[in-house]
Amino acid sequence: QVTLKESGPVLVKPTETLTLTCAVSGFPLSDAKMAVGWIRQPPGKALEWLAHILSNDEKAYNRSLRSRLTVSEDTSKSQVVLTLTNMDPADTATYYCARTRGSGWFDYWGQGILVTVSS
Amino acid sequence: DIQMTQSPSTLSASVGDRVTITCRASQSISAWVAWYQQKPGTAPKLLVYKASVVERGVPSRFSGSGFGTEFTLTISSLQPDDFATYYCQQYSNLYTFGQGTKLEIK
Repeated sequence: QVTLKESGPVLVKPTETLTLTCAVSGFPLSDAKMAVGWIRQPPGKALEWLAHILSNDEKAYNRSLRSRLTVSEDTSKSQVVLTLTNMDPADTATYYCARTRGSGWFDYWGQGILVTVSS
Repeated sequence: DIQMTQSPSTLSASVGDRVTITCRASQSISAWVAWYQQKPGTAPKLLVYKASVVERGVPSRFSGSGFGTEFTLTISSLQPDDFATYYCQQYSNLYTFGQGTKLEIK
């Protein structure tokens, strides 16, 4: 059974760095056909893809957020980590991690974590 | 970046209706499109990938079509459980989601 679960702080202050962890189970991060992506959704708004990481450590980032994003993985712990620097209230959103097959569609999603940016 | 423009943004329909949601890509993306359904407070659920392949377990009333720049998601006979927000997504070049279509009860 494939599962993904996000964890991290639910409240961060402006200018702080957000670090989120996605714990995966039911498939190996080392599987060449799989990747894990991060997507966010501000309250009441649309989905926005942020980043993904492939099993060969290839990474891709949303161009508009690239300078602030880092994605990494720890295959021994079956975890993928996303960091977003210099947080702003506009970054308030539900953050999801999701599995993608062959850099394509997202077939399994975590439940999401709502992160609020406020002083 | 490839933009995905969905229409309409809101759709009012009744149980039993046939509805179609359209997504237009800013450039040709072959058939690299997926569709998702999202209900309030929950993660999106995959419905269709490769423009027309229905995910296992998704009811047969859902179908997708299109190629190039224009894509559609059709629900053949709306059921009460189908009232939700729908998103298209391209994966031809990185990933982009449409702005969503909220399907409401008329």
